Amino acid sequence: SAVISQKPSRDICQRGTSLTIQCQVDSQVTMMFWYRQQPGQSLTLIATANQGSEATYESGFVIDKFPISRPNLTFSTLTVSNMSPEDSSIYLCSVGLAYEQYFGPGTRLTVT
Amino acid sequence: AQRVTQPEKLLSVFKGAPVELKCNYSYSGSPELFWYVQYSRQRLQLLLRHISRESIKGFTADLNKGETSFHLKKPFAQEEDSAMYYCAPLDSWGKLQFGAGTQVVVTP
Repeated sequence: SAVISQKPSRDICQRGTSLTIQCQVDSQVTMMFWYRQQPGQSLTLIATANQGSEATYESGFVIDKFPISRPNLTFSTLTVSNMSPEDSSIYLCSVGLAYEQYFGPGTRLTVT
Repeated sequence: AQRVTQPEKLLSVFKGAPVELKCNYSYSGSPELFWYVQYSRQRLQLLLRHISRESIKGFTADLNKGETSFHLKKPFAQEEDSAMYYCAPLDSWGKLQFGAGTQVVVTP
């Protein structure tokens, strides 16, 4: 199994600013994923972040808006850039291990 | 296009009654299928996966390849089963696609 922590757990940000979310895993994993869960909605995959390569973004998400770093096998960051109220969501980090995905507690972002 | 459908947004059942959450998928090949659950104020967690054919917390899920369905069932619902349930196929790239989710409310 894997234990995942995220920082911050929540934040309130002003329009036009950026926020970087950190994800830390207690074991080395190859595949890490970032999801967004908008209010009242299901989870949507933003991107896959594998160590040693560029993140792969899903349709509708771009690197300029959601830059991702993956410096090692236990850590990743997601930045939400130039925020607008529509970015208010829960952002979740996830890792894949042996056909199972484990999820972090999420970061609740509110943009005013 | 790959799709996963959970037709019921909300399912309200009485304690002790059977509960069935529907999930239909449209995927090329044979994806691995999972059910995830999110209890109030807790993180998303795996409930069960098709490949292991196990029963967790009294829940089972039957894969019907002909109907491309993976419905989740429990014969006797308990109050602690109240939660949000997501059906999620895993594609060949290791990515999960989540259904819209079904909110289950079990009333005493």
